[in-house]
Amino acid sequence: RKEVEQDPGPFNVPEGATVAFNCTYSNSASQSFFWYRQDCRKEPKLLMSVYSSGNEDGRFTAQLNRASQYISLLIRDSKLSDSATYLCVVSGAGGTSYGKLTFGQGTILTVHP
Amino acid sequence: NAGVTQTPKFRVLKTGQSMTLLCAQDMNHEYMYWYRQDPGMGLRLIHYSVGEGTTAKGEVPDGYNVSRLKKQNFLLGLESAAPSQTSVYFCASSPPRTEGDYEQYFGPGTRLTVT
Repeated sequence: RKEVEQDPGPFNVPEGATVAFNCTYSNSASQSFFWYRQDCRKEPKLLMSVYSSGNEDGRFTAQLNRASQYISLLIRDSKLSDSATYLCVVSGAGGTSYGKLTFGQGTILTVHP
Repeated sequence: NAGVTQTPKFRVLKTGQSMTLLCAQDMNHEYMYWYRQDPGMGLRLIHYSVGEGTTAKGEVPDGYNVSRLKKQNFLLGLESAAPSQTSVYFCASSPPRTEGDYEQYFGPGTRLTVT
């Protein structure tokens, strides 16, 4: 079983749609959780961190369920510029993790006019 | 601030050739990482470093070596390239752990093809 699993998609949605991505992780001791965004042929960039209380940044909402080991990302009012690959990322557990990240394989989103 | 830079951006090697990929960061970060990205696999950690003069193995270290002689540079070496090492290589850096903060800053990547 992969440490971090995502539905690879692709998701094709019209502008203005709401789309949700899901992710599960296998290590219950994982401590930090993130969504990164990667544009075609570019490097990954941090989109947002994910907290147990849930957090929102404009049109983006991230949720974490530690009991189910489940992370989600909701994008409201999709824009053409949201087209990208969204990477679910989990940080290792414990003081010796040294910030090492484990990446899901990514979910491809295409927003069309 | 250039952030994280990688050299070269593209390279084609023949099987058995060697090469070194250079990563440089100007953010004074302690931690640096090398990943490879293959279709459908996500990013996988090759090696990492928690400070000048230290290196450690990641998830897929075989066939690669690394060195961190200066804090700002992290080199990835392929001693004898194989077609299985065809991939996109990303370098990243991050400051030492702050509570709950593990943001990594990535370079633009090196596209390597081994024929």
